[in-house]
Amino acid sequence: NAGVTQTPKFQVLKTGQSMTLQCAQDMNHEYMSWYRQDPGMGLRLIHYSVGAGITDQGEVPNGYNVSRSTTEDFPLRLLSAAPSQTSVYFCASRRGQGALNTEAFFGQGTRLTVV
Amino acid sequence: AQSVTQLGSHVSVSEGALVLLRCNYSSSVPPYLFWYVQYPNQGLQLLLKYTSAATLVKGINGFEAEFKKSETSFHLTKPSAHMSDAAEYFCAGGYQKVTFGTGTKLQVIP
Repeated sequence: NAGVTQTPKFQVLKTGQSMTLQCAQDMNHEYMSWYRQDPGMGLRLIHYSVGAGITDQGEVPNGYNVSRSTTEDFPLRLLSAAPSQTSVYFCASRRGQGALNTEAFFGQGTRLTVV
Repeated sequence: AQSVTQLGSHVSVSEGALVLLRCNYSSSVPPYLFWYVQYPNQGLQLLLKYTSAATLVKGINGFEAEFKKSETSFHLTKPSAHMSDAAEYFCAGGYQKVTFGTGTKLQVIP
């Protein structure tokens, strides 16, 4: 089982460049989320989605866009990368409505460096 | 805003000693609570989750956590630490929107 797949695993960007971090899940989960992990700050929620066509902002949404055109995919776009966006990014998915207390399944992360 | 607070960014215990990692959640957090573990350069793995069926929840690798509504706490414990328990542990809570604590790095001293 593939679970949650994130690509790429590593990326170096120059300030001002744009890119898309890909996330795909094959578990038919309704809920998907993007987090960034920085030392001493835990995981902070960037954006999340409760189903195809529905997205909402998390704690730190500025500088990031998302869309959810299919259940499987939830890409994260950086429109104009900044050094402050250097971080490790995790995508997660969960079963949705009607499935209480379900845990999130995480991808292996994307380590992004903006120079 | 909902929040999850972990007390102690670093905890050191001797091998064989009790492990206690503290987590408190704000009253605005729906009572859906989780503990995750992260080993170096890896993603997060679920240790246990609160299902509302019982206040004492047992997880993998001998860990357990007790949900105390009156104290808004969900502390993680393990009776006897192993070297392999050295990792970073995250408490999380929420339903559609899951919020994580800042993490506690557990060091196990031989």
